[in-house]
Amino acid sequence: QKEVEQDPGPLSVPEGAIVSLNCTYSNSAFQYFMWYRQYSRKGPELLMYTYSSGNKEDGRFTAQVDKSSKYISLFIRDSQPSDSATYLCAMSGGSNYQLIWGAGTKLIIKP
Amino acid sequence: GAGVSQSPSNKVTEKGKDVELRCDPISGHTALYWYRQSLGQGLEFLIYFQGNSAPDKSGLPSDRFSAERTGGSVSTLTIQRTQQEDSAVYLCASSPNAPTSNQPQHFGDGTRLSIL
Repeated sequence: QKEVEQDPGPLSVPEGAIVSLNCTYSNSAFQYFMWYRQYSRKGPELLMYTYSSGNKEDGRFTAQVDKSSKYISLFIRDSQPSDSATYLCAMSGGSNYQLIWGAGTKLIIKP
Repeated sequence: GAGVSQSPSNKVTEKGKDVELRCDPISGHTALYWYRQSLGQGLEFLIYFQGNSAPDKSGLPSDRFSAERTGGSVSTLTIQRTQQEDSAVYLCASSPNAPTSNQPQHFGDGTRLSIL
């Protein structure tokens, strides 16, 4: 079993929909949680960075961490075609100073 | 300011040849990381540098892979006697301080390596 699990998709939704992207993890020591967006033929770009549990909002994006369930989510409101990309979760903490990555979810927003 | 810069952006070479991939991190970032990303896969950690030292080389797949960093800035990843399974996107990232600070990493656009 991988330390971080992420559904590869693709996830296809109509423009304007609310998108929910998720990762589960097994290491309870993880405390730092990140979401990266990766467009085709580009490097990952940091979207959200949260520490421990709770919510963090930035514009149309909300990151949510539930450490009791070992589950993190990224919500995108009013989704746009320009949001079409692969979204990768990453996390670290405890003895794992390295970032541990999910495989990424490919998101397609249909106009 | 300038982000992480990688060159070349694409590299096609024959099996058995050596290749060098270059990374120029964000100015002032002391930590530099190399990852490998195969099609549809997450990022595979290869090595990281703190300054010019590489405290963690645990991800290098074989002794054909080596990396160095000079002047606390530019890094080169070298793959000797390339094999077809080395085909992937090689990504470089940097962060202001050591990984133990858990700061986010900032990525370049990668080098797409194809071994014929």
